[in-house]
Amino acid sequence: GQNIDQPTEMTATEGAIVQINCTYQTSGFNGLFWYQQHAGEAPTFLSYNVLDGLEEKGRFSSFLSRSKGYSYLLLKELQMKDSASYLCAVRGPRARDYKLSFGAGTTVTVRA
Amino acid sequence: DTEVTQTPKHLVMGMTNKKSLKCEQHMGHRAMYWYKQKAKKPPELMFVYSYEKLSINESVPSRFSPECPNSSLLNLHLHALQPEDSALYLCASSQARQGANEAFFGQGTRLTVV
Repeated sequence: GQNIDQPTEMTATEGAIVQINCTYQTSGFNGLFWYQQHAGEAPTFLSYNVLDGLEEKGRFSSFLSRSKGYSYLLLKELQMKDSASYLCAVRGPRARDYKLSFGAGTTVTVRA
Repeated sequence: DTEVTQTPKHLVMGMTNKKSLKCEQHMGHRAMYWYKQKAKKPPELMFVYSYEKLSINESVPSRFSPECPNSSLLNLHLHALQPEDSALYLCASSQARQGANEAFFGQGTRLTVV
């Protein structure tokens, strides 16, 4: 099975940087995804990591260390619209399993 | 078109009713999913269809019955549900191959069982 941990809540100021950590223990690993979900809306894809290292996409970056079972999502130049829940999800155990297991989500609140 | 469309958006049903949730995508994705999400909880996988065949059933009770009539449509038939089945039901789709094939989610159907 999958065990995925991330902090419950984080608060930051507009324009600041926030880092959301995710640790996982899995019976198989074939990629880690980050999704953003605003209240009452569908999750939307932010990033994907399958190899170690940093993936950068505009204001959002995601890092993966497979040996440590660790990832983080970095949100830079925070905007009020970034207030949302951020979900870490692991795919596995097989690459074609299409099974995404989600962490409980981190609620980020951006304050003016 | 990167949309996954779910209908209805809201549904209230009694415990003896039979209803169906519908999901449609036109992205050519051959993997489709049903997730259940309770308030302030993450989505939980229920079913996965790959090339219109059921590939994963996460030990879901038989009162939930999925159906994939073609590569664009996914249904979830509901019968004799319990109040604890009230939740947001999310449909998603992705390409059915290895790689960075993220899942695209629909807006969900908010189901209330009374």
